[in-house]
Amino acid sequence: AIRMTQSPSSFSASTGDRVNITCRASQGISSYLAWYQQKPGKAPRLLIYAVSTLQSGVPSRFSGSGSGTDFTLTISCLQSEDFATYYCQQYYSHPLTFGGGTKVEI
Amino acid sequence: QVQLQESGPGLVKPSETLSLTCSLSGGSLSSYYWSWIRQPPGRDLEWLGHVYYSGSTNYNPSLMSRVTISVDTSNNRFSLRLTSVTAADTAVYYCARGGPTVTSFSSIDYWGQGALVTVSS
Repeated sequence: AIRMTQSPSSFSASTGDRVNITCRASQGISSYLAWYQQKPGKAPRLLIYAVSTLQSGVPSRFSGSGSGTDFTLTISCLQSEDFATYYCQQYYSHPLTFGGGTKVEI
Repeated sequence: QVQLQESGPGLVKPSETLSLTCSLSGGSLSSYYWSWIRQPPGRDLEWLGHVYYSGSTNYNPSLMSRVTISVDTSNNRFSLRLTSVTAADTAVYYCARGGPTVTSFSSIDYWGQGALVTVSS
């Protein structure tokens, strides 16, 4: 199975900050990378797929980049509703696997 | 709007079988892959496997001998069976749809709200 490693596991930020969350795959996954946001007690929400394609309804302050094994989720101007845990996921091969999550705290 | 809803027992005894059903509304099972994903309390997401509307399946090798996912297109639902459960299977179980790209290798664009299943005697 492909291992997905996120860093950092958590960090503190303030409203208005520019935030970068990184995800590294244990082997190349081309562009088969998605990002999710999860709030406590809720299901994950798809933000981005195919590295950089924004899912319908997701604000444009979210963006994704990268290729091969190294990927980044960027939130350009952190809003109060963005404090959550973020997961990356590869869908290059089965089993589909997720990163360990990055918690963005106030 | 696609909506998914998990149902089933919230408590299962060790060594018994966990069974959950996911009911789909606002759409059809046709042409998509339907997944089960779980998340132990405070821990990471784990994909258990998926079923295509035709009935073909892919499973996570870590659970392959214990997991079965099936589809019931006539009732617009799909199901999970996990045998020989232990406390390590305690988790929130999500049913979900593979998308928006409609292939066996996809992200997950719709999720159920999740169902907590506790394994305990």
